[in-house]
Amino acid sequence: AQKITQTQPGMFVQEKEAVTLDCTYDTSDPSYGLFWYKQPSSGEMIFLIYQGSYDQQNATEGRYSLNFQKARKSANLVISASQLGDSAMYFCAMPLPGATNKLIFGTGTLLAVQP
Amino acid sequence: NAGVTQTPKFRVLKTGQSMTLLCAQDMNHEYMYWYRQDPGMGLRLIHYSVGEGTTAKGEVPDGYNVSRLKKQNFLLGLESAAPSQTSVYFCASTYARTGGNTEAFFGQGTRLTVV
Repeated sequence: AQKITQTQPGMFVQEKEAVTLDCTYDTSDPSYGLFWYKQPSSGEMIFLIYQGSYDQQNATEGRYSLNFQKARKSANLVISASQLGDSAMYFCAMPLPGATNKLIFGTGTLLAVQP
Repeated sequence: NAGVTQTPKFRVLKTGQSMTLLCAQDMNHEYMYWYRQDPGMGLRLIHYSVGEGTTAKGEVPDGYNVSRLKKQNFLLGLESAAPSQTSVYFCASTYARTGGNTEAFFGQGTRLTVV
Protein backbone atom coordinates (compact mmCIF):
# COMPACT_ATOMS: atom_id res chain seq x y z
CA ALA A 1 0.00 0.00 0.00
CA GLN A 2 1.07 3.56 -0.61
CA LYS A 3 2.42 5.39 2.38
CA ILE A 4 3.95 8.78 3.04
CA THR A 5 5.99 9.41 6.18
CA GLN A 6 7.09 12.74 7.57
CA THR A 7 9.07 12.09 10.73
CA GLN A 8 9.62 15.69 11.82
CA PRO A 9 6.53 17.05 13.61
CA GLY A 10 8.21 20.43 14.03
CA MET A 11 11.39 22.25 13.13
CA PHE A 12 13.08 25.55 13.83
CA VAL A 13 15.36 27.40 11.43
CA GLN A 14 17.08 30.75 11.62
CA GLU A 15 16.13 33.33 9.07
CA LYS A 16 18.34 33.23 5.95
CA GLU A 17 19.50 29.67 6.65
CA ALA A 18 18.56 26.60 4.62
CA VAL A 19 16.33 23.86 6.00
CA THR A 20 15.49 20.34 4.86
CA LEU A 21 12.10 18.79 5.52
CA ASP A 22 12.08 15.02 5.30
CA CYS A 23 9.63 12.86 3.38
CA THR A 24 9.88 9.14 2.73
CA TYR A 25 7.40 7.11 0.76
CA ASP A 26 6.47 3.55 -0.02
CA THR A 27 4.89 2.53 -3.29
CA SER A 28 4.78 -0.42 -5.66
CA ASP A 29 3.85 1.81 -8.56
CA PRO A 30 6.74 1.97 -11.06
CA SER A 31 5.73 5.48 -12.12
CA TYR A 32 4.77 8.02 -9.49
CA GLY A 33 5.09 11.61 -8.44
CA LEU A 34 5.72 13.51 -5.24
CA PHE A 35 4.15 16.84 -4.32
CA TRP A 36 4.91 19.33 -1.58
CA TYR A 37 2.26 21.70 -0.28
CA LYS A 38 2.54 24.59 2.17
CA GLN A 39 -0.22 25.45 4.62
CA PRO A 40 0.27 28.80 6.37
CA SER A 41 -1.65 29.73 9.50
CA SER A 42 -4.41 31.17 7.31
CA GLY A 43 -5.22 27.59 6.33
CA GLU A 44 -5.05 27.43 2.55
CA MET A 45 -3.08 24.71 0.78
CA ILE A 46 -0.43 26.10 -1.56
CA PHE A 47 1.31 23.94 -4.14
CA LEU A 48 5.10 24.31 -3.98
CA ILE A 49 6.86 21.73 -6.10
CA TYR A 50 6.49 18.43 -7.94
CA GLN A 51 8.90 15.64 -8.85
CA GLY A 52 8.17 12.71 -11.13
CA SER A 53 9.87 9.39 -10.54
CA TYR A 54 11.36 9.39 -14.05
CA ASP A 55 12.57 12.98 -13.95
CA GLN A 56 16.31 13.00 -14.46
CA GLN A 57 17.05 16.11 -12.44
CA ASN A 58 15.85 17.21 -9.04
CA ALA A 59 13.02 19.72 -9.29
CA THR A 60 13.58 23.34 -8.33
CA GLU A 61 11.13 26.22 -7.97
CA GLY A 62 12.77 29.42 -6.78
CA ARG A 63 13.99 28.83 -3.22
CA TYR A 64 12.41 25.37 -3.11
CA SER A 65 14.16 22.27 -4.34
CA LEU A 66 13.58 18.56 -4.00
CA ASN A 67 16.35 16.24 -2.88
CA PHE A 68 14.94 13.16 -4.60
CA GLN A 69 16.67 9.89 -3.79
CA LYS A 70 14.74 7.15 -5.52
CA ALA A 71 16.76 4.25 -4.11
CA ARG A 72 16.11 5.48 -0.58
CA LYS A 73 12.49 6.38 -1.42
CA SER A 74 12.92 9.87 -0.09
CA ALA A 75 11.83 13.23 -1.49
CA ASN A 76 13.06 15.86 0.94
CA LEU A 77 12.13 19.51 0.49
CA VAL A 78 14.97 21.98 0.77
CA ILE A 79 14.14 25.64 1.42
CA SER A 80 17.10 27.93 0.90
CA ALA A 81 17.50 31.34 2.53
CA SER A 82 14.53 30.91 4.87
CA GLN A 83 12.20 33.84 5.33
CA LEU A 84 9.78 34.61 8.14
CA GLY A 85 6.94 33.99 5.70
CA ASP A 86 8.09 30.40 5.30
CA SER A 87 6.73 29.62 8.76
CA ALA A 88 3.94 27.16 8.01
CA MET A 89 2.92 23.52 7.92
CA TYR A 90 4.44 21.55 5.04
CA PHE A 91 2.90 18.41 3.59
CA CYS A 92 4.37 15.81 1.30
CA ALA A 93 1.83 14.00 -0.89
CA MET A 94 1.66 11.29 -3.55
CA PRO A 95 -1.09 10.23 -5.98
CA LEU A 96 -2.54 6.80 -5.43
CA PRO A 97 -2.26 4.34 -8.33
CA GLY A 98 -5.06 4.52 -10.88
CA ALA A 99 -6.35 7.25 -13.13
CA THR A 100 -7.94 9.39 -10.42
CA ASN A 101 -5.17 11.67 -9.08
CA LYS A 102 -6.28 10.94 -5.51
CA LEU A 103 -3.62 12.07 -3.07
CA ILE A 104 -2.32 10.59 0.14
CA PHE A 105 -0.61 12.96 2.52
CA GLY A 106 2.01 12.76 5.19
CA THR A 107 1.22 14.08 8.64
CA GLY A 108 3.10 17.30 7.98
CA THR A 109 6.02 19.24 9.45
CA LEU A 110 5.50 22.54 11.22
CA LEU A 111 8.32 24.90 10.34
CA ALA A 112 9.07 27.94 12.45
CA VAL A 113 11.50 30.51 11.06
CA GLN A 114 13.17 32.55 13.77
CA PRO A 115 14.49 36.09 13.21
CA ASN B 1 -9.50 33.83 -11.14
CA ALA B 2 -11.65 32.29 -8.43
CA GLY B 3 -10.16 28.79 -8.71
CA VAL B 4 -11.83 26.58 -6.11
CA THR B 5 -14.37 28.19 -3.81
CA GLN B 6 -15.89 26.59 -0.74
CA THR B 7 -18.92 27.75 1.19
CA PRO B 8 -19.33 28.24 4.05
CA LYS B 9 -15.94 29.03 5.60
CA PHE B 10 -17.07 28.32 9.15
CA ARG B 11 -20.01 26.46 10.65
CA VAL B 12 -21.09 25.20 14.04
CA LEU B 13 -23.61 22.37 14.11
CA LYS B 14 -25.43 20.58 16.88
CA THR B 15 -25.18 16.81 17.00
CA GLY B 16 -27.78 15.32 14.69
CA GLN B 17 -28.15 18.35 12.44
CA SER B 18 -27.54 18.14 8.74
CA MET B 19 -25.69 20.42 6.39
CA THR B 20 -24.21 20.64 2.92
CA LEU B 21 -20.81 22.03 2.00
CA LEU B 22 -20.56 23.45 -1.49
CA CYS B 23 -17.47 23.39 -3.66
CA ALA B 24 -17.32 25.24 -6.95
CA GLN B 25 -14.45 25.34 -9.44
CA ASP B 26 -14.13 27.45 -12.56
CA MET B 27 -11.16 25.66 -14.16
CA ASN B 28 -13.20 23.06 -16.07
CA HIS B 29 -11.53 20.29 -14.06
CA GLU B 30 -12.91 16.79 -14.44
CA TYR B 31 -11.80 15.45 -11.07
CA MET B 32 -12.93 16.78 -7.72
CA TYR B 33 -12.26 15.66 -4.15
CA TRP B 34 -13.30 16.20 -0.56
CA TYR B 35 -10.64 15.82 2.14
CA ARG B 36 -10.78 16.31 5.86
CA GLN B 37 -7.87 17.53 7.95
CA ASP B 38 -7.48 16.58 11.57
CA PRO B 39 -4.59 17.44 13.90
CA GLY B 40 -1.62 15.11 13.48
CA MET B 41 -3.24 13.17 10.63
CA GLY B 42 -2.66 15.18 7.48
CA LEU B 43 -5.46 15.23 4.92
CA ARG B 44 -7.61 12.18 4.31
CA LEU B 45 -9.86 11.58 1.32
CA ILE B 46 -13.59 11.35 2.03
CA HIS B 47 -15.15 11.05 -1.43
CA TYR B 48 -14.15 11.96 -4.93
CA SER B 49 -15.58 12.33 -8.41
CA VAL B 50 -14.01 11.70 -11.80
CA GLY B 51 -16.73 13.45 -13.73
CA GLU B 52 -20.22 14.89 -13.74
CA GLY B 53 -22.70 12.39 -12.36
CA THR B 54 -20.04 10.11 -10.83
CA THR B 55 -18.88 9.75 -7.24
CA ALA B 56 -16.77 7.24 -5.35
CA LYS B 57 -15.71 6.54 -1.77
CA GLY B 58 -12.34 7.53 -0.44
CA GLU B 59 -10.53 6.54 2.72
CA VAL B 60 -13.03 7.87 5.30
CA PRO B 61 -16.49 8.01 3.66
CA ASP B 62 -18.72 6.99 6.57
CA GLY B 63 -21.22 9.63 7.64
CA TYR B 64 -20.89 11.63 4.43
CA ASN B 65 -22.62 11.72 1.07
CA VAL B 66 -21.68 13.60 -2.08
CA SER B 67 -23.20 14.65 -5.36
CA ARG B 68 -21.78 15.97 -8.63
CA LEU B 69 -24.79 17.08 -10.63
CA LYS B 70 -22.82 19.73 -12.47
CA LYS B 71 -19.22 19.50 -13.57
CA GLN B 72 -18.21 22.63 -11.70
CA ASN B 73 -19.86 21.74 -8.37
CA PHE B 74 -19.18 19.03 -5.82
CA LEU B 75 -21.39 18.90 -2.74
CA LEU B 76 -20.54 17.21 0.55
CA GLY B 77 -23.44 16.36 2.83
CA LEU B 78 -23.61 15.39 6.47
CA GLU B 79 -27.01 13.85 7.17
CA SER B 80 -26.66 13.59 10.95
CA ALA B 81 -23.60 15.40 12.25
CA ALA B 82 -21.50 13.83 15.00
CA PRO B 83 -18.74 15.39 17.14
CA SER B 84 -16.24 13.09 15.36
CA GLN B 85 -16.93 15.07 12.21
CA THR B 86 -15.46 18.21 13.74
CA SER B 87 -12.68 18.97 11.29
CA VAL B 88 -11.43 21.24 8.56
CA TYR B 89 -12.79 20.22 5.17
CA PHE B 90 -10.99 20.90 1.91
CA CYS B 91 -12.29 20.59 -1.58
CA ALA B 92 -9.81 20.13 -4.41
CA SER B 93 -9.84 19.62 -8.15
CA THR B 94 -7.47 18.45 -10.87
CA TYR B 95 -7.40 17.98 -14.60
CA ALA B 96 -8.30 14.51 -15.88
CA ARG B 97 -4.76 13.99 -17.22
CA THR B 98 -2.90 11.46 -15.08
CA GLY B 99 0.83 11.13 -14.72
CA GLY B 100 3.13 14.08 -14.56
CA ASN B 101 2.36 17.18 -12.54
CA THR B 102 -1.32 16.78 -11.79
CA GLU B 103 -1.36 19.59 -9.28
CA ALA B 104 -4.44 19.66 -7.07
CA PHE B 105 -6.02 23.06 -6.59
CA PHE B 106 -7.55 23.51 -3.16
CA GLY B 107 -10.33 25.61 -1.77
CA GLN B 108 -9.70 27.73 1.30
CA GLY B 109 -11.21 25.17 3.66
CA THR B 110 -14.33 24.96 5.83
CA ARG B 111 -13.92 24.77 9.57
CA LEU B 112 -16.78 22.68 10.97
CA THR B 113 -17.45 22.21 14.66
CA VAL B 114 -20.09 19.77 15.86
CA VAL B 115 -21.18 20.25 19.47
